[in-house]
Amino acid sequence: DSGVTQTPKHLITATGQRVTLRCSPRSGDLSVYWYQQSLDQGLQFLIQYYNGEERAKGNILERFSAQQFPDLHSELNLSSLELGDSALYFCASSRGQGGSYEQYFGPGTRLTVT
Amino acid sequence: GQQVMQIPQYQHVQEGEDFTTYCNSSTTLSNIQWYKQRPGGHPVFLIQLVKSGEVKKQKRLTFQFGEAKKNSSLHITATQTTDVGTYFCAGIETGGFKTIFGAGTRLFVKA
Repeated sequence: DSGVTQTPKHLITATGQRVTLRCSPRSGDLSVYWYQQSLDQGLQFLIQYYNGEERAKGNILERFSAQQFPDLHSELNLSSLELGDSALYFCASSRGQGGSYEQYFGPGTRLTVT
Repeated sequence: GQQVMQIPQYQHVQEGEDFTTYCNSSTTLSNIQWYKQRPGGHPVFLIQLVKSGEVKKQKRLTFQFGEAKKNSSLHITATQTTDVGTYFCAGIETGGFKTIFGAGTRLFVKA
């Protein structure tokens, strides 16, 4: 158990809909990262927050947005969903904001768009 | 932008054989991390390399960071069935925040 929690575990929704994925980082971690992993694919970095502020952005679509709240939990919002958005979405957390900190991954949210 | 290439994509070995995965970056890295993802699981941090030419060992696993800090490798000696999974390298560009993951090498071990 990494200490990172993600809800829900599974999500099935239809095209065009909007969903929110939630992540709670490990106690004491200030950075939260979001990744997308399609079937048998690598980890695509989406976005990073540190202590409530956006720190780095990857290939995140305009239909996707995220935020980190004062209690440090984070939410990833996916809107106008398409079939291709079906994937496993991981949240990870780390102590600091730089790349020298190891990341602890949550169990992921499996999103299926039908 | 920064790219991290990882080869091979897949590797099938017989239990007891050695295994190596290679990671190459298009830019100089400040450090590189390695993660392992078991089938159906989430990535788990294995190790971080920071210094040029650094070599670290964890039991049967040997990690190397190239002299130019643009490549890295993970070598597993005498693979076991418990080694199955996908091994990812993750590079951080010098002065950057973004962690770029390689595509991963999926290891299959036949008993």
